[in-house]
Amino acid sequence: ETGVTQSPTHLIKTRGQQVTLRCSSQSGHNTVSWYQQALGQGPQFIFQYYREEENGRGNFPPRFSGLQFPNYSSELNVNALELDDSALYLCASSLGQGAYTGELFFGEGSRLTVL
Amino acid sequence: DQQVKQNSPSLSVQEGRISILNCDYTNSMFDYFLWYKKYPAEGPTFLISISSIKDKNEDGRFTVFLNKSAKHLSLHIVPSQPGDSAVYFCAASLAGTALIFGKGTTLSVSS
Repeated sequence: ETGVTQSPTHLIKTRGQQVTLRCSSQSGHNTVSWYQQALGQGPQFIFQYYREEENGRGNFPPRFSGLQFPNYSSELNVNALELDDSALYLCASSLGQGAYTGELFFGEGSRLTVL
Repeated sequence: DQQVKQNSPSLSVQEGRISILNCDYTNSMFDYFLWYKKYPAEGPTFLISISSIKDKNEDGRFTVFLNKSAKHLSLHIVPSQPGDSAVYFCAASLAGTALIFGKGTTLSVSS
């Protein structure tokens, strides 16, 4: 059984650019969530996908968008990058719609730096 | 407005002693509470959870207590070990949707 894997692990972009982060869910998990963790903060919910449809979204602007594919892998896209987008982006998978108990399985994250 | 608060940024304890990490929340509709542990350069890993209908859940050295009237939960680690040194996040779930995390408490266990 493979865990949650994310790529790339680190990347540097400049303000105004676009970025795509990728995530492979844990085997058998059909729900994926993305979280943003700024320095010194806890993870903050961006959105959740269940069976390729977005079924929950946090307080993030539309320039944050996502996709979930039939194999349950996922992408997070951020357009028009701003300096405040610099953070660790965490992907988490779970079984079932949101996994009622809330237990999520996280990847190691993608560290994005916007200059 | 933070719905989940961890007011202690750090905690230092000696090996073998008890570690108590605290968490307060504001939304009485939360139905599950979870604790995650995070080491540097790794994603958070699930530690233990408790349903809002219970007041205690135990798993080995880890026990979580929930006081719904005070909107407070705590994680007890007994005995503490140096390998427990990490950042601990308290999180709350509402009907299986997004987890709402606190800012974390850094636990340092010295030998």
